[in-house]
Amino acid sequence: QKEVEQDPGPLSVPEGAIVSLNCTYSNSAFQYFMWYRQYSRKGPELLMYTYSSGNKEDGRFTAQVDKSSKYISLFIRDSQPSDSATYLCAMSEMDSSYKLIFGSGTRLLVRP
Amino acid sequence: GAVVSQHPSRVICKSGTSVKIECRSLDFQATTMFWYRQFPKQSLMLMATSNEGSKATYEQGVEKDKFLINHASLTLSTLTVTSAHPEDSSFYICSAQLAGAEETQYFGPGTRLLVL
Repeated sequence: QKEVEQDPGPLSVPEGAIVSLNCTYSNSAFQYFMWYRQYSRKGPELLMYTYSSGNKEDGRFTAQVDKSSKYISLFIRDSQPSDSATYLCAMSEMDSSYKLIFGSGTRLLVRP
Repeated sequence: GAVVSQHPSRVICKSGTSVKIECRSLDFQATTMFWYRQFPKQSLMLMATSNEGSKATYEQGVEKDKFLINHASLTLSTLTVTSAHPEDSSFYICSAQLAGAEETQYFGPGTRLLVL
């Protein structure tokens, strides 16, 4: 079993839809949770960062962390074709290295 | 802020040659940088952790003599793929930790290596 599980998709939605992306994890020591967006042939771009449990909102994006269920989510409201990309969840423990453990990424396609 | 650059963005080389990839933090100092490798439609695989002024720490299965890492300053880390072979062809991405916020990493745009 992988430490971080993420459905690879692809997930295809119409423009304007609400998108829900999810990851589950097995390591209860994870404290930091991130969502990265990666366009084809580009480096990952940090979208959202959350420490421990709770919600965080930034524009059309909302990140949720449920540590009791070991489950994190990213919601995208009013999705746009420009949101079409691969979304990677990543998490790390609170230690001296903060090495990131990535999910496999979910490919999202927003249809005009 | 928190911009990371990589050079070159693409490189094609012959089998047996060595290739150097540079990773720079442009507007911040990074005591720690990470090197990843990514195959098509797969996630990022951590290769090594690069600490300024000390030897890199390699992940299990990564040959340290094959992938030489140097982190000579707080803004520059280099990855040299020595005696490259076609199976080394991949997308190499670096990231840098922001001092004071080490839990977040900012990624470079990646370097696509093709070994013929």
